[in-house]
Amino acid sequence: EVQLVESGGGLEQPGRSLRLSCAASGFRFDDYAMHWVRQAPGKGLEWVSGISWNSGTIAYADSVKGRFTISRDNAKNSLYLRMNNLGPDDTALYYCAKGGTTVTHPYFDSWGQGTLVTVSS
Amino acid sequence: QSALTQPRSVSGSPGQSVTISCTGTSNDVGGYNYVSWYQQHPGKAPKLMVYDVSKRPSGVPDRFSGSKSGNTASLIISGLQTEDEADYYCCSYAGSLTVGVFGGGTKLTVL
Repeated sequence: EVQLVESGGGLEQPGRSLRLSCAASGFRFDDYAMHWVRQAPGKGLEWVSGISWNSGTIAYADSVKGRFTISRDNAKNSLYLRMNNLGPDDTALYYCAKGGTTVTHPYFDSWGQGTLVTVSS
Repeated sequence: QSALTQPRSVSGSPGQSVTISCTGTSNDVGGYNYVSWYQQHPGKAPKLMVYDVSKRPSGVPDRFSGSKSGNTASLIISGLQTEDEADYYCCSYAGSLTVGVFGGGTKLTVL
């Protein structure tokens, strides 16, 4: 059974940084692209970033480009999201999602339960 | 990266069929056969229902089907059941490294 467990969320002040983690199990982690998708309170889904199995292809939404950095450690079956210069619009539940075999084939067939990031002074 | 356009809400009675539309442009929905659909119940994580326009993951009932015509994709739910009441989101590849763009979501009410 695929399991994705996010951690690292919390309350942070505008302009500060946070690092999210996602621990994966139940599948061959290094065979698949992985993604972060977020959902602001009461709002819809927004794709944030994706990374290929070997970290060779990385993509970001325009809203986070230059501020967020996605990475993965296949030896630890883990996905990360470094978020710098946080702003109130980054307040959301951040989901880790398992993708297809390539980043540019975006479907998300397994999701974690999410970790909540709140940006407020 | 403009969001895809979905109706805010649709409704139907048990046993009926409903269709949820997802309209984009030739740069996303119309340009690629990479449309997926997600069901989200309140307080729960999304669940993949359809991918690559019309493929169903294992375990998803065949009451759920997908199609596409031009720049508009559709999710068709037949034989509505009360447990189908949820929010539904479409998502499309948008080329290059834009990867995923979601629709704004549709609330399905089963009357």
